[in-house]
Amino acid sequence: IAGITQAPTSQILAAGRRMTLRCTQDMRHNAMYWYRQDLGLGLRLIHYSNTAGTTGKGEVPDGYSVSRANTDDFPLTLASAVPSQTSVYFCASSDSLGDTQYFGPGTRLTVL
Amino acid sequence: QKEVEQNSGPLSVPEGAIASLNCTYSDRGSQSFFWYRQYSGKSPELIMFIYSNGDKEDGRFTAQLNKASQYVSLLIRDSQPSDSATYLCALLSYQLTFGKGTKLSVIP
Repeated sequence: IAGITQAPTSQILAAGRRMTLRCTQDMRHNAMYWYRQDLGLGLRLIHYSNTAGTTGKGEVPDGYSVSRANTDDFPLTLASAVPSQTSVYFCASSDSLGDTQYFGPGTRLTVL
Repeated sequence: QKEVEQNSGPLSVPEGAIASLNCTYSDRGSQSFFWYRQYSGKSPELIMFIYSNGDKEDGRFTAQLNKASQYVSLLIRDSQPSDSATYLCALLSYQLTFGKGTKLSVIP
């Protein structure tokens, strides 16, 4: 593994289903983030974590949850997906909250 | 609410010309500014960051910051078709806030 990986690459999901997007980094970065990117709205922060064991809410947290059990992994869960959650999701990491962020390749999610 | 404004474009420049991308922001407390490049269907990748007023050069790229006027710009010299992408401006105070991006097309 080099950098940040995300899985799956893409997914089509029925509304109401539960879905977990996975993110793993091997840079030993303390901080990790989840963004969604929508046409015309740009990148918006969903949740973040500044260190293992802690998480915080970003600009658009509703309908999403995260956990940070260890340094490397930061999964994003949609408990009951809705069509408005159709988006491209990017995971990012940085050495600390104030440092340069590096992005994973993204997950394209479609909720029908 | 922290605002980051960018002209969505598309900005078209001929190959070899200078491309000028601009970004204005509302939060005077912002300390760090970043430019990311995003190719269609790909993730954002960092081009440059700038903390201090003035210019910062890296190869064909120059970032310019004017905190008094609350703008940051990115100049791309000798533009190449491979520079065609969307350029995202971002500012960091506590969290990273992104502009919506400017789409640049470099015409051969």
